[in-house]
Order: sequence, then C-alpha cells, then structure tokens
Amino acid sequence: DAKTTQPPSMDCAEGRAANLPCNHSTISGNEYVYWYRQIHSQGPQYIIHGLKNNETNEMASLIITEDRKSSTLILPHATLRDTAVYYCIVKYTGTASKLTFGTGTRLQVTL
Amino acid sequence: EAQVTQNPRYLITVTGKKLTVTCSQNMNHEYMSWYRQDPGLGLRQIYYSMNVEVTDKGDVPEGYKVSRKEKRNFPLILESPSPNQTSLYFCASSLTGEYTQYFGPGTRLTVL
Repeated sequence: DAKTTQPPSMDCAEGRAANLPCNHSTISGNEYVYWYRQIHSQGPQYIIHGLKNNETNEMASLIITEDRKSSTLILPHATLRDTAVYYCIVKYTGTASKLTFGTGTRLQVTL
Repeated sequence: EAQVTQNPRYLITVTGKKLTVTCSQNMNHEYMSWYRQDPGLGLRQIYYSMNVEVTDKGDVPEGYKVSRKEKRNFPLILESPSPNQTSLYFCASSLTGEYTQYFGPGTRLTVL
C-alpha cells in the first residue's frame, strides 16, 4: 500500500469549507484513495473514495490531482460536528480488506 | 438501519477472567474484522474473517481468539485477559474486497 502524508492538525471556521490535503506520491495505478473520519473515540466512519476522477457524495468531495500523487477532501460547509480525525488511506481493491490507519489530520471546527 | 453492534460498550474486568465481546452486523457482509486502538499506536487489526468458518490473524492476534459460526456474528474472546489488553476495541464489516467498511461503536475494555 502506498504511504500517505497528512498534516497533523487543521482549524476551520464553522460554515466555511474545510480542505484536508493528503500526499500519496507512491500511489500505483490500481490503488484507490479512501477517506475515513473518527469522531472522538467513536468507530471510524467511511466518507468517500476515488480512483482518479473527482468524486462527490452527500458528505464531501474528493479532488484527486491528475498525476494522482495527492488529493484533497473537501467538506463544503463545515459544522462543529465535523470536528474529528480524518484519515486518508490508499488501498488496492482486492480480496483482503484490512485498513491501515495512520495518524490522520485532527480537524477542529470553531465558531 | 444498516449497522454493526458491539456488546458490551464498557467493561472493567480482572486479570485472567475470560470474557467475550460480541459483534453483530445486519448487512449480510462476508468480511468482518476486529481492531484495537491505543494512544499513539492507532488502529491495529487483531483478527479478520473472510466468511463463515474462515478466520485469520491480523497484526496483533496474541491473547485473542475469534470464531465465525454465523455470517452475522464475529465474537472476540479473551481467554485470560491481561492489563496490556486494556484498549478500545472496534468491530468492522464489509463486502469482501471492499474498503468501505462499517465500524461498530467500540468497546472500552479495562483489565485490572
């Protein structure tokens, strides 16, 4: 699995867009980018994933650069409930489903 | 509602007293897994199961057992708990080969 690098922490004002970056410069062509978040000791929650095209769902948008070496998770209108640790994970979709969580980015949304 | 449930949510026990943490999912997922989370160490996989009667070790299996007799259930067994198994435990499930996993709410275990 490709290694990912995320900033340890970020702040965002409530109502503004939160842009969380992830670097995965060693990603291979068949590896997907997944994003999860964990709200204070709750179970991790799947947010979104993508291969090379930008993706959007009801929670967030995922922007992957053309060379696929980095991506950005966008929460368009952050709320206090979005305060969490966000994990970027790169995986090849195969038969084994183990997720390897790094240290992630601690996003603090403030008033 | 699609969900993964765990019981108990909190448990304080003593060294050597056998315990079982149950995990159940209602999504007909083949794949189930147990993780533990410790400060500074992140989430680490303990055991996983690709389907009924198929289980395998994860990264930190020592001191744990699992069984998968039914598709929906995947209990975690600590035959002789020790203080170093004090941790936050999560069960997860997904379709095989998928990384869109559903996690349970967690079980906070303290072994004295």
